[in-house]
Amino acid sequence: EAQVTQNPRYLITVTGKKLTVTCSQNMNHEYMSWYRQDPGLGLRQIYYSMNVEVTDKGDVPEGYKVSRKEKRNFPLILESPSPNQTSLYFCASSQASPGRKEAFFGQGTRLTVV
Amino acid sequence: AQSVTQPDIHITVSEGASLELRCNYSYGATPYLFWYVQSPGQGLQLLLKYFSGDTLVQGIKGFEAEFKRSQSSFNLRKPSVHWSDAAEYFCAVAPLSGGYNKLIFGAGTRLAVHP
Repeated sequence: EAQVTQNPRYLITVTGKKLTVTCSQNMNHEYMSWYRQDPGLGLRQIYYSMNVEVTDKGDVPEGYKVSRKEKRNFPLILESPSPNQTSLYFCASSQASPGRKEAFFGQGTRLTVV
Repeated sequence: AQSVTQPDIHITVSEGASLELRCNYSYGATPYLFWYVQSPGQGLQLLLKYFSGDTLVQGIKGFEAEFKRSQSSFNLRKPSVHWSDAAEYFCAVAPLSGGYNKLIFGAGTRLAVHP
């Protein structure tokens, strides 16, 4: 089954404790992205990757890091989480082909930083 | 600046009634247009998309949307709502050209369905 898998689904952590949220897709998609969803703001892009070893900042990159060492994986790293990073996070992947650019989303990771 | 506006934050309809969710966008050219649905505790599922051709597009679950270039709108419709349609709906746009399809989302419309 074609899917984007995120782990963990739920995470509670303390301020300053480094964490990683994993994302993996099995559709051989070139593009992968991370979004955060906050009430009233919709989804905002954190980082994106156009292919292996190619990443760039989205609209709200501060406090986050990513890497793309393999095509299928795109982990999100919070080096020193703060309470304002409490949010619902989504990983997404999509093809590069024109006309087939719709994004496929993971189930989400609800992060609480206390 | 590129943006997507969903004017209605919450909508409540009765089961069996018709539904229209509004979406307006501000973009340099006609973009790629999407509607996604998010059920409670779930990720986003693509309902339908438009990038060229017939301006009335059909999607899954009985939804359709109409692209109106003159109004920069892409409204989502359903003739008869089911209780299972209660969810949050997001309109999104992406560039037709260029190397990366960055999605820009509206703030979402939360739909409640009365029995």
